[in-house]
Amino acid sequence: GQQVMQIPQYQHVQEGEDFTTYCNSSTTLSNIQWYKQRPGGHPVFLIQLVKSGEVKKQKRLTFQFGEAKKNSSLHITATQTTDVGTYFCAGPEGGGADGLTFGKGTHLIIQP
Amino acid sequence: EPEVTQTPSHQVTQMGQEVILRCVPISNHLYFYWYRQILGQKVEFLVSFYNNEISEKSEIFDDQFSVERPDGSNFTLKIRSTKLEDSAMYFCASSQSRNTIYFGEGSWLTVV
Repeated sequence: GQQVMQIPQYQHVQEGEDFTTYCNSSTTLSNIQWYKQRPGGHPVFLIQLVKSGEVKKQKRLTFQFGEAKKNSSLHITATQTTDVGTYFCAGPEGGGADGLTFGKGTHLIIQP
Repeated sequence: EPEVTQTPSHQVTQMGQEVILRCVPISNHLYFYWYRQILGQKVEFLVSFYNNEISEKSEIFDDQFSVERPDGSNFTLKIRSTKLEDSAMYFCASSQSRNTIYFGEGSWLTVV
């Protein structure tokens, strides 16, 4: 079955440093989505990328979708303590399926 | 902002007992989902529901699981005979167009 892999599993940064998490799929994705989950919270939708090579920005967050539509990245510039949480990428289970396959997530820990 | 609401927030049940988790999706949404997250692990897709029937289910969603939309607002997940390994956070989610998925805050199930 489809696998979605994320690295790193954990990332410790000093507040103000940048952060990047990478996502790789074993299959070509029709789209990729990113979610943030605060400790003890639920996943919150951040963005969906659909087009090959697409880049989208949300304030300090930059999302990229690879040309082959098998990889993606999330980059946060100048992290703040509010960025703490786990960042998951997710892709459709297969074809145009409804369900999402999530990566294991990258836990972002920020030291003030 | 509209929310997906879930009840109960936490349930403790004995192994072998039946459990029903309830969800009220966002009112104009058409697609409904259940996901689960075992403590410290990734979010896993269980089932999607559209047009009053299951549209997709994962390998996890075996005969012990069932879903229902008994009326126009509730969406339930039933686990017939709970096992210890069913202990997890269960997230209900809904979407209007299979793109942005909104998650509820989850129901934490502990099987003892």
